[in-house]
Amino acid sequence: DGGITQSPKYLFRKEGQNVTLSCEQNLNHDAMYWYRQDPGQGLRLIYYSQIVNDFQKGDIAEGYSVSREKKESFPLTVTSAQKNPTAFYLCASSMTGLSYEQYFGPGTRLTVT
Amino acid sequence: RKEVEQDPGPFNVPEGATVAFNCTYSNSASQSFFWYRQDCRKEPKLLMSVYSSGNEDGRFTAQLNRASQYISLLIRDSKLSDSATYLCVVNAIEGGGNKLTFGTGTQLKVEL
Repeated sequence: DGGITQSPKYLFRKEGQNVTLSCEQNLNHDAMYWYRQDPGQGLRLIYYSQIVNDFQKGDIAEGYSVSREKKESFPLTVTSAQKNPTAFYLCASSMTGLSYEQYFGPGTRLTVT
Repeated sequence: RKEVEQDPGPFNVPEGATVAFNCTYSNSASQSFFWYRQDCRKEPKLLMSVYSSGNEDGRFTAQLNRASQYISLLIRDSKLSDSATYLCVVNAIEGGGNKLTFGTGTQLKVEL
């Protein structure tokens, strides 16, 4: 089955620890994206990548880092510098081009205490 | 002003009713438009793209008004299973990248 997978579904971490969220797609999409969603707010773009070995900051990149070493994979690291890391994190992918819709993975709920 | 604005609702409607949502956007350079559906604690899923001429998919009809910068979604013969949050999404090229801007969503509750 083609799709996007994210793991784990739920993640709990202590404050001060870095944590890496996994995102894998087998849709052969060039572009991949990371969003976070907080209650009462729309999705906000953290980072995106249009091609392997290249990525750009989104609207709220501070405290996050990414890598894109393979077309299929786009892991997100939430660092201890991120002030409010508890959120629902969504990974998406798409073909490149303006008219192409994005497809989302099931998300990871991160709770930092 | 938010880039994409939606009435958060909730819209509580009886089964079988027709319900319409509007969404306004501020970036006149926006070129692609979508409606996504998001169930509670799940990922957004594409409901339909919105074309300039308007488009229909079963009970769902989407319209675009570029002059007034709004898009709409009409749901006919509402089903209980239509209960969800509907996200208005606008796409524009920005800094060489393909950027989607999401509204905060309109919550629909279909009741017996």
